[in-house]
Amino acid sequence: GAVVSQHPSWVICKSGTSVKIECRSLDFQATTMFWYRQFPKQSLMLMATSNEGSKATYEQGVEKDKFLINHASLTLSTLTVTSAHPEDSSFYICSARKSLSGGVGYEQYFGPGTRLTVT
Amino acid sequence: AQSVTQLDSQVPVFEEAPVELRCNYSSSVSVYLFWYVQYPNQGLQLLLKYLSGSTLVKGINGFEAEFNKSQTSFHLRKPSVHISDTAEYFCAVSPISSNTGKLIFGQGTTLQVKP
Repeated sequence: GAVVSQHPSWVICKSGTSVKIECRSLDFQATTMFWYRQFPKQSLMLMATSNEGSKATYEQGVEKDKFLINHASLTLSTLTVTSAHPEDSSFYICSARKSLSGGVGYEQYFGPGTRLTVT
Repeated sequence: AQSVTQLDSQVPVFEEAPVELRCNYSSSVSVYLFWYVQYPNQGLQLLLKYLSGSTLVKGINGFEAEFNKSQTSFHLRKPSVHISDTAEYFCAVSPISSNTGKLIFGQGTTLQVKP
């Protein structure tokens, strides 16, 4: 299979502190991972594309200095929410890209998500 | 650019009845198509995907979808739903030419199965 884990599954932090969320591909290597944000009853919004060994590519409107992404190995990407505020409270989901059989295209496998609440 | 429209935000249906969740897309290039399911407070699980070949695709949990190129649609169907199918369903596309595999999601459809 293709399993992706996230840690922690939920976190509560105080306003002004930083929070790190880990995304791991457990049984395959992922040169590319994606970070999404999901508000209640809404679709997933792509925040950034995380590339192993290089800088992440952020979507328009996403503050790269606030949402720090590090993809230091082929199985781990981290998202750090710096100086968190209540408006950063959300459900954060990561996915890891895996090549499709035959080398044609890709498929994404999703983590279970992290619920962040900033008080 | 690509966009995905899921025409129904909510679909209520009784248990054991058939259901169809509609998805239309817009793209100037060829795309792969996907349906994902999300249970409350969980990540997304792949139901099925269309890459090429037969336009009727079968997935997990008894779901199937049909790719219609002329109508740019990829509707999801199940002949008989269960209470456990209650969840959020997302249609997504990915440009074949993309070197990232980026997904573009629809707004989602909430399937509510009633006893």
